[in-house]
Amino acid sequence: EPEVTQTPSHQVTQMGQEVILRCVPISNHLYFYWYRQILGQKVEFLVSFYNNEISEKSEIFDDQFSVERPDGSNFTLKIRSTKLEDSAMYFCASRQQERLAKNIQYFGAGTRLSVL
Amino acid sequence: GDSVTQMEGPVTLSEEAFLTINCTYTATGYPSLFWYVQYPGEGLQLLLKATKADDKGSNKGFEATYRKETTSFHLEKGSVQVSDSAVYFCALSRIYNQGGKLIFGQGTELSVKP
Repeated sequence: EPEVTQTPSHQVTQMGQEVILRCVPISNHLYFYWYRQILGQKVEFLVSFYNNEISEKSEIFDDQFSVERPDGSNFTLKIRSTKLEDSAMYFCASRQQERLAKNIQYFGAGTRLSVL
Repeated sequence: GDSVTQMEGPVTLSEEAFLTINCTYTATGYPSLFWYVQYPGEGLQLLLKATKADDKGSNKGFEATYRKETTSFHLEKGSVQVSDSAVYFCALSRIYNQGGKLIFGQGTELSVKP
Protein backbone atom coordinates (compact mmCIF):
# COMPACT_ATOMS: atom_id res chain seq x y z
CA GLU A 1 0.00 0.00 0.00
CA PRO A 2 1.37 3.46 -0.86
CA GLU A 3 2.56 5.47 2.09
CA VAL A 4 3.95 8.86 3.02
CA THR A 5 7.63 8.67 3.93
CA GLN A 6 9.43 11.13 6.21
CA THR A 7 13.13 11.49 6.84
CA PRO A 8 14.91 11.61 9.16
CA SER A 9 12.93 9.99 11.95
CA HIS A 10 14.83 12.03 14.52
CA GLN A 11 16.76 15.27 13.97
CA VAL A 12 18.87 16.91 16.64
CA THR A 13 20.08 20.45 16.03
CA GLN A 14 21.53 23.42 17.85
CA MET A 15 19.45 26.53 18.42
CA GLY A 16 19.86 28.97 15.55
CA GLN A 17 20.69 26.31 12.98
CA GLU A 18 18.69 25.63 9.85
CA VAL A 19 16.92 22.31 9.44
CA ILE A 20 15.15 20.73 6.51
CA LEU A 21 12.58 18.05 7.11
CA ARG A 22 11.82 15.85 4.14
CA CYS A 23 8.69 14.10 3.01
CA VAL A 24 7.80 11.95 0.05
CA PRO A 25 4.01 12.10 -0.40
CA ILE A 26 1.97 9.43 -2.16
CA SER A 27 2.69 9.76 -5.85
CA ASN A 28 -0.73 10.70 -7.26
CA HIS A 29 -1.63 13.07 -4.45
CA LEU A 30 -1.95 16.79 -5.10
CA TYR A 31 -2.46 18.39 -1.68
CA PHE A 32 0.32 18.43 0.91
CA TYR A 33 0.40 19.40 4.56
CA TRP A 34 2.69 19.88 7.51
CA TYR A 35 1.48 19.50 11.08
CA ARG A 36 3.38 19.47 14.34
CA GLN A 37 2.82 18.12 17.82
CA ILE A 38 4.69 19.55 20.77
CA LEU A 39 5.06 16.88 23.44
CA GLY A 40 1.85 16.57 25.43
CA GLN A 41 -0.07 19.01 23.24
CA LYS A 42 -2.44 18.86 20.28
CA VAL A 43 -1.49 18.13 16.71
CA GLU A 44 -1.42 21.60 15.11
CA PHE A 45 -1.78 22.57 11.46
CA LEU A 46 1.16 24.47 10.00
CA VAL A 47 0.64 24.80 6.26
CA SER A 48 -1.14 23.39 3.23
CA PHE A 49 0.31 23.36 -0.29
CA TYR A 50 -1.33 22.87 -3.65
CA ASN A 51 -0.34 23.59 -7.22
CA ASN A 52 3.12 24.75 -6.14
CA GLU A 53 1.92 27.36 -3.73
CA ILE A 54 0.78 27.71 -0.14
CA SER A 55 -3.02 27.53 0.10
CA GLU A 56 -3.25 28.21 3.81
CA LYS A 57 -0.89 28.71 6.74
CA SER A 58 -1.34 29.04 10.46
CA GLU A 59 -0.05 31.73 12.80
CA ILE A 60 2.75 29.35 13.77
CA PHE A 61 4.07 29.35 10.20
CA ASP A 62 6.00 32.62 10.34
CA ASP A 63 8.91 33.89 8.26
CA GLN A 64 11.23 31.30 9.79
CA PHE A 65 9.32 28.54 8.05
CA SER A 66 9.16 27.72 4.37
CA VAL A 67 7.97 24.82 2.24
CA GLU A 68 9.04 23.63 -1.14
CA ARG A 69 8.32 20.92 -3.64
CA PRO A 70 11.69 20.91 -5.38
CA ASP A 71 10.88 18.04 -7.73
CA GLY A 72 8.00 15.75 -8.54
CA SER A 73 8.34 13.65 -5.42
CA ASN A 74 9.70 15.53 -2.40
CA PHE A 75 7.97 18.04 -0.13
CA THR A 76 10.19 19.82 2.37
CA LEU A 77 9.76 21.99 5.45
CA LYS A 78 12.62 24.34 6.25
CA ILE A 79 13.13 26.12 9.53
CA ARG A 80 15.73 28.84 8.99
CA SER A 81 16.85 29.53 12.55
CA THR A 82 15.55 27.00 15.01
CA LYS A 83 14.34 27.94 18.47
CA LEU A 84 13.97 25.74 21.52
CA GLU A 85 10.20 25.93 21.15
CA ASP A 86 10.40 24.38 17.68
CA SER A 87 11.14 21.04 19.35
CA ALA A 88 8.22 18.83 18.35
CA MET A 89 7.11 15.92 16.20
CA TYR A 90 6.49 17.12 12.65
CA PHE A 91 4.02 15.22 10.47
CA CYS A 92 3.68 15.41 6.73
CA ALA A 93 0.38 14.46 5.08
CA SER A 94 -1.00 14.28 1.57
CA ARG A 95 -4.34 13.71 -0.14
CA GLN A 96 -5.78 13.24 -3.59
CA GLN A 97 -7.81 15.86 -5.35
CA GLU A 98 -11.16 14.56 -4.29
CA ARG A 99 -14.40 15.95 -3.03
CA LEU A 100 -13.34 18.01 -0.08
CA ALA A 101 -15.90 16.55 2.29
CA LYS A 102 -14.01 13.26 2.13
CA ASN A 103 -10.63 14.90 2.80
CA ILE A 104 -8.79 11.68 3.54
CA GLN A 105 -5.27 12.68 4.47
CA TYR A 106 -2.47 10.13 4.68
CA PHE A 107 0.20 10.80 7.27
CA GLY A 108 3.85 9.93 7.56
CA ALA A 109 5.36 8.51 10.76
CA GLY A 110 6.80 11.90 11.66
CA THR A 111 10.18 13.50 12.31
CA ARG A 112 11.05 14.24 15.89
CA LEU A 113 12.97 17.53 15.99
CA SER A 114 15.01 18.22 19.09
CA VAL A 115 16.50 21.72 19.38
CA LEU A 116 19.25 22.01 21.98
CA GLY B 1 -12.48 29.58 16.13
CA ASP B 2 -12.98 25.93 15.40
CA SER B 3 -11.83 23.47 18.04
CA VAL B 4 -12.03 19.84 19.12
CA THR B 5 -12.02 18.58 22.70
CA GLN B 6 -11.36 14.98 23.70
CA MET B 7 -11.57 13.21 27.00
CA GLU B 8 -8.37 13.05 28.96
CA GLY B 9 -6.26 9.96 28.87
CA PRO B 10 -4.70 7.58 29.40
CA VAL B 11 -7.59 5.14 29.34
CA THR B 12 -6.79 1.65 30.58
CA LEU B 13 -9.18 -1.21 29.87
CA SER B 14 -9.18 -4.97 30.10
CA GLU B 15 -9.52 -7.01 26.93
CA GLU B 16 -13.15 -7.34 25.75
CA ALA B 17 -14.27 -4.27 27.69
CA PHE B 18 -16.49 -1.61 26.12
CA LEU B 19 -14.74 1.53 24.94
CA THR B 20 -16.02 5.08 24.72
CA ILE B 21 -13.78 8.03 23.95
CA ASN B 22 -15.66 11.31 24.06
CA CYS B 23 -15.16 14.01 21.45
CA THR B 24 -16.96 17.32 21.14
CA TYR B 25 -16.36 20.08 18.65
CA THR B 26 -16.98 23.76 18.15
CA ALA B 27 -17.55 24.92 14.59
CA THR B 28 -20.13 26.81 12.59
CA GLY B 29 -21.88 25.03 9.79
CA TYR B 30 -21.34 21.36 9.08
CA PRO B 31 -17.73 20.26 9.33
CA SER B 32 -16.56 16.79 8.37
CA LEU B 33 -15.49 14.73 11.39
CA PHE B 34 -12.74 12.13 11.66
CA TRP B 35 -11.10 9.73 14.04
CA TYR B 36 -7.43 9.01 13.47
CA VAL B 37 -5.35 6.38 15.27
CA GLN B 38 -1.62 6.34 15.91
CA TYR B 39 0.04 3.05 16.78
CA PRO B 40 3.46 3.19 18.47
CA GLY B 41 6.17 4.33 16.06
CA GLU B 42 3.75 4.96 13.20
CA GLY B 43 1.97 7.89 11.60
CA LEU B 44 -1.67 8.84 12.02
CA GLN B 45 -4.08 6.57 10.16
CA LEU B 46 -7.66 7.40 9.34
CA LEU B 47 -9.93 5.13 11.38
CA LEU B 48 -13.35 6.43 10.35
CA LYS B 49 -15.16 9.55 9.21
CA ALA B 50 -18.59 11.16 8.88
CA THR B 51 -19.41 14.04 6.60
CA LYS B 52 -22.92 15.08 7.66
CA ALA B 53 -25.22 15.05 10.65
CA ASP B 54 -26.48 11.62 11.78
CA ASP B 55 -23.90 9.82 9.63
CA LYS B 56 -22.28 6.86 11.36
CA GLY B 57 -18.68 6.08 10.52
CA SER B 58 -17.43 2.56 11.20
CA ASN B 59 -14.27 0.53 10.73
CA LYS B 60 -12.59 -2.43 12.46
CA GLY B 61 -15.41 -2.66 15.02
CA PHE B 62 -15.18 1.03 15.93
CA GLU B 63 -18.14 3.35 15.42
CA ALA B 64 -18.89 7.05 15.81
CA THR B 65 -22.06 8.98 15.05
CA TYR B 66 -22.08 12.62 13.98
CA ARG B 67 -24.43 14.34 16.44
CA LYS B 68 -25.16 17.89 15.41
CA GLU B 69 -27.46 18.59 18.36
CA THR B 70 -24.77 17.77 20.91
CA THR B 71 -21.80 18.68 18.65
CA SER B 72 -20.27 15.32 19.44
CA PHE B 73 -18.55 12.45 17.66
CA HIS B 74 -17.85 9.88 20.37
CA LEU B 75 -15.81 6.81 19.46
CA GLU B 76 -17.11 3.42 20.63
CA LYS B 77 -16.11 -0.20 20.38
CA GLY B 78 -17.99 -3.07 21.93
CA SER B 79 -15.03 -5.31 22.76
CA VAL B 80 -11.48 -3.99 22.70
CA GLN B 81 -8.38 -6.06 22.02
CA VAL B 82 -4.79 -5.64 23.12
CA SER B 83 -3.98 -4.67 19.53
CA ASP B 84 -6.25 -1.60 19.88
CA SER B 85 -3.71 0.00 22.22
CA ALA B 86 -2.83 3.29 20.54
CA VAL B 87 -3.47 7.04 20.66
CA TYR B 88 -6.80 8.14 19.18
CA PHE B 89 -7.32 11.60 17.71
CA CYS B 90 -10.63 13.27 16.90
CA ALA B 91 -10.48 15.90 14.15
CA LEU B 92 -12.62 18.14 11.97
CA SER B 93 -12.26 19.97 8.69
CA ARG B 94 -14.39 22.72 7.23
CA ILE B 95 -15.97 21.92 3.91
CA TYR B 96 -15.58 25.42 2.49
CA ASN B 97 -11.90 25.52 3.41
CA GLN B 98 -10.32 24.50 0.14
CA GLY B 99 -7.01 23.80 1.81
CA GLY B 100 -8.68 21.10 3.88
CA LYS B 101 -6.66 21.53 7.07
CA LEU B 102 -7.52 19.21 9.92
CA ILE B 103 -8.12 20.56 13.42
CA PHE B 104 -7.27 17.94 16.03
CA GLY B 105 -8.17 17.21 19.59
CA GLN B 106 -5.38 16.51 22.06
CA GLY B 107 -5.46 12.74 21.58
CA THR B 108 -6.47 10.01 24.00
CA GLU B 109 -4.09 7.19 24.81
CA LEU B 110 -5.74 3.79 25.12
CA SER B 111 -4.02 0.88 26.82
CA VAL B 112 -5.70 -2.53 26.71
CA LYS B 113 -4.47 -5.17 29.14
CA PRO B 114 -4.86 -8.92 28.55
